Amino acid sequence: AQKVTQAQTEISVVEKEDVTLDCVYETRDTTYYLFWYKQPPSGELVFLIRRNSFDEQNEISGRYSWNFQKSTSSFNFTITASQVVDSAVYFCALGQGGYQKVTFGTGTKLQVIP
Amino acid sequence: GAGVSQSPSNKVTEKGKDVELRCDPISGHTALYWYRQSLGQGLEFLIYFQGNSAPDKSGLPSDRFSAERTGGSVSTLTIQRTQQEDSAVYLCASSLGRQTYGYTFGSGTRLTVV
Repeated sequence: AQKVTQAQTEISVVEKEDVTLDCVYETRDTTYYLFWYKQPPSGELVFLIRRNSFDEQNEISGRYSWNFQKSTSSFNFTITASQVVDSAVYFCALGQGGYQKVTFGTGTKLQVIP
Repeated sequence: GAGVSQSPSNKVTEKGKDVELRCDPISGHTALYWYRQSLGQGLEFLIYFQGNSAPDKSGLPSDRFSAERTGGSVSTLTIQRTQQEDSAVYLCASSLGRQTYGYTFGSGTRLTVV
């Protein structure tokens, strides 16, 4: 069975601070995909990143960076110099290789205080 | 259309009534998913359609829930004899092909059963 754990329910940071959102996953598959989605107060989920299990390279996109470590089954997300617009619920998700069903974590609510 | 369209955006219904929720995926996306998000909770998988294959209904919570996808495009999620615990946001998403791309989500239908 697949499982995604986001242990941080809510995080508050002051604007310009860095923040890391944790994600730990469980799967028996050797091929799988990991995702992060952002759900702002408006409600619509926005795709941020997809990473496959064979690519452990970290990725950076602007102020966002992702650290994928298979040894610890983690796919953590860091926002550098946070901004108020980053306030949202962030979901980590796990997809099985070649199959579309994706399991979501329960989300981490990030509040960036001005 | 440019995005995934869901209707209605809000639905209030009396307990015991049937409701239909509609999803119009992105043109050309062969995979379509329904998820449910209860207040403060993560996303709960309901059902998945891929092309002409039999749908994966493993997430439907009871036999009061059913879904159809006509012509490989528009999908309708039907909830019969609604109960108060059915109150949630119902999210539809679509994606390309069998490779696990990131989903594109619709804005959801907020269902309230009174």
